[in-house]
Amino acid sequence: QKEVEQDPGPLSVPEGAIVSLNCTYSNSAFQYFMWYRQYSRKGPELLMYTYSSGNKEDGRFTAQVDKSSKYISLFIRDSQPSDSATYLCAMIGQTGANNLFFGTGTRLTVIP
Amino acid sequence: DTEVTQTPKHLVMGMTNKKSLKCEQHMGHRAMYWYKQKAKKPPELMFVYSYEKLSINESVPSRFSPECPNSSLLNLHLHALQPEDSALYLCASSQGPLSYEQYFGPGTRLTVT
Repeated sequence: QKEVEQDPGPLSVPEGAIVSLNCTYSNSAFQYFMWYRQYSRKGPELLMYTYSSGNKEDGRFTAQVDKSSKYISLFIRDSQPSDSATYLCAMIGQTGANNLFFGTGTRLTVIP
Repeated sequence: DTEVTQTPKHLVMGMTNKKSLKCEQHMGHRAMYWYKQKAKKPPELMFVYSYEKLSINESVPSRFSPECPNSSLLNLHLHALQPEDSALYLCASSQGPLSYEQYFGPGTRLTVT
C-alpha cells in the first residue's frame, strides 16, 4: 500500500464549477499537509499548507484535513481555465525533507 | 522574491557526455534539494543539502553527483547517463532542513540519447 493515494483523474469540469480534489494516507504520523499546483512542463508551486486537522481558506481555495479519517481535500470555488493543471498533495511526518511524501497528482482541466 | 531559478531549461545529452545542471535561490534558504520527476509521476527526492553539506542521498547512482558551492547555488553533475535517466529535474529550497515549505524551480528537462 502506498503511503499517499490520490486519484490521478483526469478531471474535467466546466468553468465556474466547484472542484474537489482528495488524497488519503496511511501513516498517522503525518502532521503537515500541502497542496502543490503544477502546470505542464513547470515546477510544482506551493498553493496551501495546513497543520493537523482543520480547514484553511485562501481566496477561492479551501484545504481540509481530517486526520481521524486520514483524508485531505482541496476545494476550488468558481474554477477558472487558468486552474487547469496537475494538483499534487504532499505530506510530512515530522519536519524534515526526507519525510515528504507526494501523491501521484490529479490532472484538472477547466473548460471555458 | 520566492524564486528558484534553474538552467538550462532543456538539455539533450549522449550517454558519454558530461553536463551540469544549475540551481540558484536568493531567499536566504539554507536547505536545497534535487528531485527527479518522470512523466505523470510525482517528484522523487534525490539529494538534500543542509547548510551547504550533503545530508541526504536517496541511494542515487554515482553517475549523478551533486555539489553545493555556496548557500545560494546547487549543481548536479551528470556523467555516463542512461536513456532511462531522461526526466524533469527539479531543484527546490526551504528556509531550513526542518521546514516543510519547499519552493520549486521550473526544472530542467533532460533527454539522454
